[in-house]
Amino acid sequence: DIQLTQSPSSLSASVGDRVIITCRASQMVAGYINWYQQKAGKAPKLLISAAFSLQSGVPSRFRGSGSGAEFTLTISDLQPEDFATYYCQQSYSRQLTFGGGTKVEI
Amino acid sequence: QVLLEQSGGALKKPGASVKVSCTASGYTFTRYIIAWVRQAPGQGLEWMGWISAYSGDTKYSEKFQGRVTMTTDTLTTTAYMELRSLKSDDSAVYYCVRTTTETTPPSPGYALDIWGQGTVVTVSS
Repeated sequence: DIQLTQSPSSLSASVGDRVIITCRASQMVAGYINWYQQKAGKAPKLLISAAFSLQSGVPSRFRGSGSGAEFTLTISDLQPEDFATYYCQQSYSRQLTFGGGTKVEI
Repeated sequence: QVLLEQSGGALKKPGASVKVSCTASGYTFTRYIIAWVRQAPGQGLEWMGWISAYSGDTKYSEKFQGRVTMTTDTLTTTAYMELRSLKSDDSAVYYCVRTTTETTPPSPGYALDIWGQGTVVTVSS
């Protein structure tokens, strides 16, 4: 299976900050990385597909980038509603895998 | 509006089975593959497998192979996930998820775009 390692596992930030979350794959995944946001007690929500394609309705302060085996999710101008846990996920291989998550706290 | 509505929570004893349902609405059910993902308390997300709502073809995670069965009923636009021989560490929230892929097997790069509300399964004696 392709392993996805997210860093950091948690971070503290303030409203207005810029936050960068990294997702490293154990092998090349050809840009097939998706990002999800999960708030406490809720189902995850798809934010970004194929490394950088913002889903409809997702604010433009969310940006995905990267290629090969290293990807980042950048949240600019952090808003109160952005405090959540973020997961990367690969669908390069037929065995889907997720990163361990990054909790963004106030 | 695209919705996936899951069955209610379940309390099961070790060794028992659980079957979770997921009823889809707001889109053509047979067009997309449905995946199942679970999340143990305080833990991350774990992919269990997928099923084509059109053909019934399945692909299970190696971890659950032999213990899980995914099916669909196109008449009621409902997907099912049955997990057998339950253990305490199967206690988790189980999600059904519509994928962005229409092909079987899924083309690389697909995402999980519409999630059910989750079903809490507790395994305890």
